[in-house]
Amino acid sequence: QLQLEESGSGLVKPSQTLSLTCTVSGASISGGYSWGWIRQTPGKGLQWIGYISDTGGSYYNPSLRSRVTIAIDESKTHFSLKVTSLTAADTALYYCARGGGDGYEVVFDVWGQGTMVTVSS
Amino acid sequence: DIQMTQSPSSLSASVGERVTITCQASHDISNYLSWYQVKPGKAPKLLIYDASKLEAGVSSRFSGNGSGTDFTFTINSLQTEDIATYYCQQFDNFPCTFGGGTKVETK
Repeated sequence: QLQLEESGSGLVKPSQTLSLTCTVSGASISGGYSWGWIRQTPGKGLQWIGYISDTGGSYYNPSLRSRVTIAIDESKTHFSLKVTSLTAADTALYYCARGGGDGYEVVFDVWGQGTMVTVSS
Repeated sequence: DIQMTQSPSSLSASVGERVTITCQASHDISNYLSWYQVKPGKAPKLLIYDASKLEAGVSSRFSGNGSGTDFTFTINSLQTEDIATYYCQQFDNFPCTFGGGTKVETK
């Protein structure tokens, strides 16, 4: 059974870079799925950050595109999220998730439990 | 971006009661709408996609309806394990966007 688990820096200073990893277990990153990141902020609910396909094509929310990178590692068992130039507005619960293919890339059927990131000096 | 307006933002209902949540899109999104259940400390769960299709393994007491700009999500007989926040999501237009959420509690 596919499981996802987020890990990474929980407290980051303003202007620094956030780095998170999603560990994929029970399957590898393949099969025509997308692999995405979504965040939940206290005041604004859920926001889609971006996704990467298992062939490496990446797509980002235009509101975050200039600061976000999603990548798959060579082992095909992890994918990552980097967000640069952090501000307090990036404080959120960050989820990784699997999306479908063929038009369902942002319909997420498997999620991790989320990891809290706080941006503070 | 397409704005998704959910209502109510919270509700309280008795176990066994029928619960309905509405989601309105700022533009026509056909049936490209999903519903998710989010509980604190748990992985969110996809319940409905394409407005009315039940995700595999999800209880049939959950249902969705609608097309265009107006959608509804129904819990047929509320159970204690349904206490959660529910979000709609449109995936017709890029970027996909979510509603503000509806927190469901029991009386």
